[in-house]
Amino acid sequence: EIVLTQSPATLSLSPGERATLSCRASQSVSSYFAWYQQKPGQAPRLLIYDASNRATGIPARFSGSGSGTDFTLTISSLEPEDFAVYYCQQRANWPLTFGGGTKVEIK
Amino acid sequence: EVQLVESGGGLVEPGGSLRLSCAASGFTFSSYSMNWVRQAPGKGLEWVSSILINSGYMKYADSVQGRFTISRDDAKNSLYFQLSSLRAEDTAVYYCARSANFGYWYLDLWGRGTLVTVSS
Repeated sequence: EIVLTQSPATLSLSPGERATLSCRASQSVSSYFAWYQQKPGQAPRLLIYDASNRATGIPARFSGSGSGTDFTLTISSLEPEDFAVYYCQQRANWPLTFGGGTKVEIK
Repeated sequence: EVQLVESGGGLVEPGGSLRLSCAASGFTFSSYSMNWVRQAPGKGLEWVSSILINSGYMKYADSVQGRFTISRDDAKNSLYFQLSSLRAEDTAVYYCARSANFGYWYLDLWGRGTLVTVSS
């Protein structure tokens, strides 16, 4: 099973600041990698797929990078609605796996 | 409107069974692979099961293999999840999620979830 480790667990930032979230895979997943956002009481929403492609309707302030084992989600300037929990996911191998999540909270 | 709506959750005793349903609308259900993902209270996301279009194959997490069964009825635009031999650790919100057509097993549409509570 491919284990995804997200860091940091919590990120405390102010609106307008840049957020950098990381996810490391226990073995290479090539670019078969995604990021999701989840707000309290809501279902997750796909943000990024294939490591760097924005899903439909996702604002340009969200960007993804990386390949192999190390991936980054960057939010260039945090909006109030961006404070949420973010999960990474790989689809390179079964079972599909998710990271443990990074909570982006208001400082 | 493109949406997924889960139902069938509830309180069940350990060892019991439950059948979850997911009704799809607004898209051609038969053209998409589908998934179940769960989230225990206050915890992260856990993939549980997937089914390919035409029920070509099914996949399960080790934690539910042999106890849970995924199925679909394309004529009814519905996904199902039969849960058996339930354990306390199966307590979670169960989400139905669609696999993206631009990359199998990326989940691009999610339902609101249905809560399964296993307790005596």
